[in-house]
Amino acid sequence: KQEVTQIPAALSVPEGENLVLNCSFTDSAIYNLQWFRQDPGKGLTSLLLIQSSQREQTSGRLNASLDKSSGRSTLYIAASQPGDSATYLCAVRGNTNAGKSTFGDGTTLTVKP
Amino acid sequence: DGGITQSPKYLFRKEGQNVTLSCEQNLNHDAMYWYRQDPGQGLRLIYYSQIVNDFQKGDIAEGYSVSREKKESFPLTVTSAQKNPTAFYLCASSISNRGVNTEAFFGQGTRLTVV
Repeated sequence: KQEVTQIPAALSVPEGENLVLNCSFTDSAIYNLQWFRQDPGKGLTSLLLIQSSQREQTSGRLNASLDKSSGRSTLYIAASQPGDSATYLCAVRGNTNAGKSTFGDGTTLTVKP
Repeated sequence: DGGITQSPKYLFRKEGQNVTLSCEQNLNHDAMYWYRQDPGQGLRLIYYSQIVNDFQKGDIAEGYSVSREKKESFPLTVTSAQKNPTAFYLCASSISNRGVNTEAFFGQGTRLTVV
């Protein structure tokens, strides 16, 4: 059974700092890995999707990497801003088990002005 | 605008009642999903549907039911058999549930509270 772990559970940084969020998974048989942002009481907003054949994806100040062999992904946020404060979730979609996604519990990020 | 619409945003249910949460998408996606989220936790899959008139149980299907009579609609019924229904419910869709076209898009959620 796929298990997804996100460490740390919470992170607080000063504005302008670069930071890395971590996601690890136990089964490397995946279609893709997707990073989401969730604001309090809201749905999930897709940030980046990395296919299993890719190593990284970039969007603006965000860069996500995937190392399938070690079961790890990182989300790098450059020059953090208070508006980046949210919970970040990663989801792994397996290519077995009917292609279902497994979510981590998320990392809650606070960027202080 | 294309997207996923969940309604209502807030829902209150009395003990023993069934309630239905609505999820509509105009993205022409084949696959749709229902997730439950409890405070401080990730999402757990309740049901998913790969195509019209087909759906499968997820990891926590007990006490829930769904239908998929139309491509754009995937309503979730929370029955009285669900012992702890208070949670945040999220609906999602993707072009497919396998392969490269599986990027998931989410609605804004429905918060269900049992009173």
